[in-house]
Amino acid sequence: AQTVTQSQPEMSVQEAETVTLSCTYDTSESDYYLFWYKQPPSRQMILVIRQEAYKQQNATENRFSVNFQKAAKSFSLKISDSQLGDAAMYFCAYKRTNAGKSTFGDGTTLTVKP
Amino acid sequence: NAGVMQNPRHLVRRRGQEARLRCSPMKGHSHVYWYRQLPEEGLKFMVYLQKENIIDESGMPKERFSAEFPKEGPSILRIQQVVRGDSAAYFCASSPQGAGSTDTQYFGPGTRLTVL
Repeated sequence: AQTVTQSQPEMSVQEAETVTLSCTYDTSESDYYLFWYKQPPSRQMILVIRQEAYKQQNATENRFSVNFQKAAKSFSLKISDSQLGDAAMYFCAYKRTNAGKSTFGDGTTLTVKP
Repeated sequence: NAGVMQNPRHLVRRRGQEARLRCSPMKGHSHVYWYRQLPEEGLKFMVYLQKENIIDESGMPKERFSAEFPKEGPSILRIQQVVRGDSAAYFCASSPQGAGSTDTQYFGPGTRLTVL
């Protein structure tokens, strides 16, 4: 069974600084997708970034980028120039290609200090 | 283009009552997924449906829980004889063509169920 582990229950960062959130996963599949979702206090799940496993290039979305290490099964999220609005719970998720369900980690609560 | 709609946003039930949670997928999406989030935990997959079909219900509890996605109307997650342990946030997600397509699921705002 696939598992997703987020080893940092809480992280904090100073406004305008950079922070990296860790995620590791376990799978025997070769085709899959990885996602980072943001869940603010409103509890809405917002897609931040996604990575296709077959792509070697790391995905980037504005201030958000990932470090995808397929052999190590690691998928970390880097947030640059952190803003107060980035404060939220962040979830890493795995989805096998051609499967319906996504498997989520338990989340990392990010605090941004002014 | 409206996003995934869920209602009600908050639902309070007493033990033994029934809870019905509704989900309208994004326009053009024909596949729906239900997830449950217990306090301080990540989302746990429950069921994956397309119109009039259950594709994967491997995460559904064996008793009291059922889901449907009729040809017309929203998807319904039904919990019979609720217990306190059912208190959680229930999220619905949708995708355009299901597995093997975009593989990105778009989430609704969730329904927070409280069982007294």
